[in-house]
Amino acid sequence: GAGVSQSPSNKVTEKGKDVELRCDPISGHTALYWYRQSLGQGLEFLIYFQGNSAPDKSGLPSDRFSAERTGGSVSTLTIQRTQQEDSAVYLCASSAGVNQPQHFGDGTRLSIL
Amino acid sequence: GDSVTQMEGPVTLSEEAFLTINCTYTATGYPSLFWYVQYPGEGLQLLLKATKADDKGSNKGFEATYRKETTSFHLEKGSVQVSDSAVYFCALRSNSGNTPLVFGKGTRLSVIA
Repeated sequence: GAGVSQSPSNKVTEKGKDVELRCDPISGHTALYWYRQSLGQGLEFLIYFQGNSAPDKSGLPSDRFSAERTGGSVSTLTIQRTQQEDSAVYLCASSAGVNQPQHFGDGTRLSIL
Repeated sequence: GDSVTQMEGPVTLSEEAFLTINCTYTATGYPSLFWYVQYPGEGLQLLLKATKADDKGSNKGFEATYRKETTSFHLEKGSVQVSDSAVYFCALRSNSGNTPLVFGKGTRLSVIA
């Protein structure tokens, strides 16, 4: 079956531009997570959606970052007025339920010039 | 808050050598513990997991035992292969449901023939 799909796989943009990253979770998975993988920083949690509950945004680094999940499926992570420190690989994961493992997409590599 | 500490790499081993990657954690309660692997150019994959004390997770010749008394989850393999070259991440998840993963910074393993 299809895994977690992320697009684009690579994105290069100029500082100050807005970017949107997309995640298609595994069908039927109720939980969706965004993480950021930066050089030297490891993997950081950004935001988490569980069913119809309000998302846990506690990991978002600034108000330039936001995310939504439409219809309990596809999610979009938006970064406004990008800065060079936003350059990283953005990973999306989904899981089927409580105590189920998280399955990761291949990530979007974002480079800010 | 919860945290994971794993040995820094890179680790370079000859084929058939014994591998240990140390991982210790700090968490309230009894978290679930995971090892994820990221092969070159690929996304994160779950390698193994353990959900309670003294559980041993195993997969592809890798093993890790959940040691509550030492708050550790060290990854071991008796005989590594070149194909094991990858970055390995130790992670925990709070036992309170579908919460985000907390990752260590990753350990890069290179196995040479």
